[in-house]
Amino acid sequence: DTAVSQTPKYLVTQMGNDKSIKCEQNLGHDTMYWYKQDSKKFLKIMFSYNNKELIINETVPNRFSPKSPDKAHLNLHINSLELGDSAVYFCASSQAFLSGNTIYFGEGSWLTVV
Amino acid sequence: DAKTTQPNSMESNEEEPVHLPCNHSTISGTDYIHWYRQLPSQGPEYVIHGLTSNVNNRMASLAIAEDRKSSTLILHRATLRDAAVYYCILMYSGGGADGLTFGKGTHLIIQP
Repeated sequence: DTAVSQTPKYLVTQMGNDKSIKCEQNLGHDTMYWYKQDSKKFLKIMFSYNNKELIINETVPNRFSPKSPDKAHLNLHINSLELGDSAVYFCASSQAFLSGNTIYFGEGSWLTVV
Repeated sequence: DAKTTQPNSMESNEEEPVHLPCNHSTISGTDYIHWYRQLPSQGPEYVIHGLTSNVNNRMASLAIAEDRKSSTLILHRATLRDAAVYYCILMYSGGGADGLTFGKGTHLIIQP
């Protein structure tokens, strides 16, 4: 049973394309996140949703659009992909949006833009 | 800006204890100290967290300085499977993006 699952695991695509990464959590958590880990290995928060409501949007180009159809799902859609979008994208969830809560991460989606 | 400072890398021998330091001199009274680790090609996983008192769980121990400006993650008996990047982060009790960005962490190398 994978707690936080994201698909696809690997994605190679050309510049200018539009792509989506899907995420699902079966933990019954209220809060979900998208993180980006670039080549320098910093793990940066991009978005956070709490009960399907966007609560964090961290200076991310508007080509990136998260969508949360329900509490268990948070998908990431990227328009007009650029070379700099190549990174590992991690989906995560936590019981609530409070610092005492453990964050559970998915296995990551490796995006390569060529 | 990272609110914590960790050594870039540390090396230890298998079956020996490992002490991973973290400085967080600007910690506020409502910040929790969290530790996560990331094994190669995997997502980060939770290790331990605390507020003021030392904490123990099956994975590790967390020693928090009295002034809370530093903490140490202790792996009591390192194994090869503990080789990973360890992240120390501060999470504000009320939530917020500042506490959700991970720094570079400490790359722990375990020698057999």
